[in-house]
Amino acid sequence: DGGITQSPKYLFRKEGQNVTLSCEQNLNHDAMYWYRQDPGQGLRLIYYSQIVNDFQKGDIAEGYSVSREKKESFPLTVTSAQKNPTAFYLCASRLWTGYNEQFFGPGTRLTVL
Amino acid sequence: QKEVEQNSGPLSVPEGAIASLNCTYSDRGSQSFFWYRQYSGKSPELIMFIYSNGDKEDGRFTAQLNKASQYVSLLIRDSQPSDSATYLCAVFAGGTSYGKLTFGQGTILTVHP
Repeated sequence: DGGITQSPKYLFRKEGQNVTLSCEQNLNHDAMYWYRQDPGQGLRLIYYSQIVNDFQKGDIAEGYSVSREKKESFPLTVTSAQKNPTAFYLCASRLWTGYNEQFFGPGTRLTVL
Repeated sequence: QKEVEQNSGPLSVPEGAIASLNCTYSDRGSQSFFWYRQYSGKSPELIMFIYSNGDKEDGRFTAQLNKASQYVSLLIRDSQPSDSATYLCAVFAGGTSYGKLTFGQGTILTVHP
């Protein structure tokens, strides 16, 4: 089955730790995105990547880092510099052509202890 | 002024009624518009997209776009309890946005039996 997978589903982090969230897609999509969602709010863009080895900061990139070494994978690292990382993290992807509709993975819920 | 703004909820309608969800956007250059449904604790699911003025129908869902008024809406006919969710409006501005979507804060819809 084609789709977007994210792991882990739940993640707990201690203060001062870096953690990496996984996002993999087998849809042959070109672009990939990371969003953050806080309770009762919409989605805010962290980073996005149009092609391999290239990525751009979104609206709230501070305290986060990404890599895009393979078309299928776009991992997100939440660093200790992110002061309020507890949130629901969503990965999305889309084809380069078309009407820009994005499709989402199931999400990772990160909690800082 | 927020870039994408949705009517404040929560919105409650009886089963079988029409639910009307509204969204306004500030960028006149916006090219395509998306409605996502998000169940509690889950990731957003694309319901419809629209890019031309007028109406677009898909089953019980109708998206309406008025670019002159910078307004997009989603109508859900014959609402069912299973339609109870948060509905997110997303806008693609085009130009150099590289497929970046800007999301509204969401409207919570409750359909009661």
